[in-house]
Amino acid sequence: AQSVTQPDIHITVSEGASLELRCNYSYGATPYLFWYVQSPGQGLQLLLKYFSGDTLVQGIKGFEAEFKRSQSSFNLRKPSVHWSDAAEYFCAVDPYGGATNKLIFGTGTLLAVQP
Amino acid sequence: DGGITQSPKYLFRKEGQNVTLSCEQNLNHDAMYWYRQDPGQGLRLIYYSQIVNDFQKGDIAEGYSVSREKKESFPLTVTSAQKNPTAFYLCATRGSGGYKNIQYFGAGTRLSVL
Repeated sequence: AQSVTQPDIHITVSEGASLELRCNYSYGATPYLFWYVQSPGQGLQLLLKYFSGDTLVQGIKGFEAEFKRSQSSFNLRKPSVHWSDAAEYFCAVDPYGGATNKLIFGTGTLLAVQP
Repeated sequence: DGGITQSPKYLFRKEGQNVTLSCEQNLNHDAMYWYRQDPGQGLRLIYYSQIVNDFQKGDIAEGYSVSREKKESFPLTVTSAQKNPTAFYLCATRGSGGYKNIQYFGAGTRLSVL
């Protein structure tokens, strides 16, 4: 079945440490890919997106993500985590590259940051 | 101030009652979406509308209804047929021009059953 998988439900990192959140998808075509962040009780904020071109994309708040077609992955990274990064992170996929504009979301990864 | 406004922030429903969640936008975006969020399940699409007076069912439309009479507004009604309505509901719009493949989200409405 077509899906978006975020294998890590919960991750704890120390402030200043590096971070990588994983996202895999099972759609065959080249989809549009997104990472969103959600603070408790709030809506979703777009961190970054990939449509085409350079497979390493930069986003807001110092985040970046790399699209790897061979692995069907779009992992989110940050070199040094700040306490304010504690939130839930969602990977989302538009399977048809904008044709339908329907997003399929992963189940999210909850990030905790310890001092 | 441009944006997406969802109201109320918290809503309580009694058994057998219909309730309506409001979503208003002043971004002049054509497409609007409703998602349901449950813990550990990500977001699931309820309904979406790409243009005024037209809307389509998403993956979990049963027990919900919508209307799109104005470009700015896309209200969601949770009917008594929805047996498990407790969730966080998010409204989104799709950008236009160079941002037409990006969805933007409101702050959400949390619905609970009394």
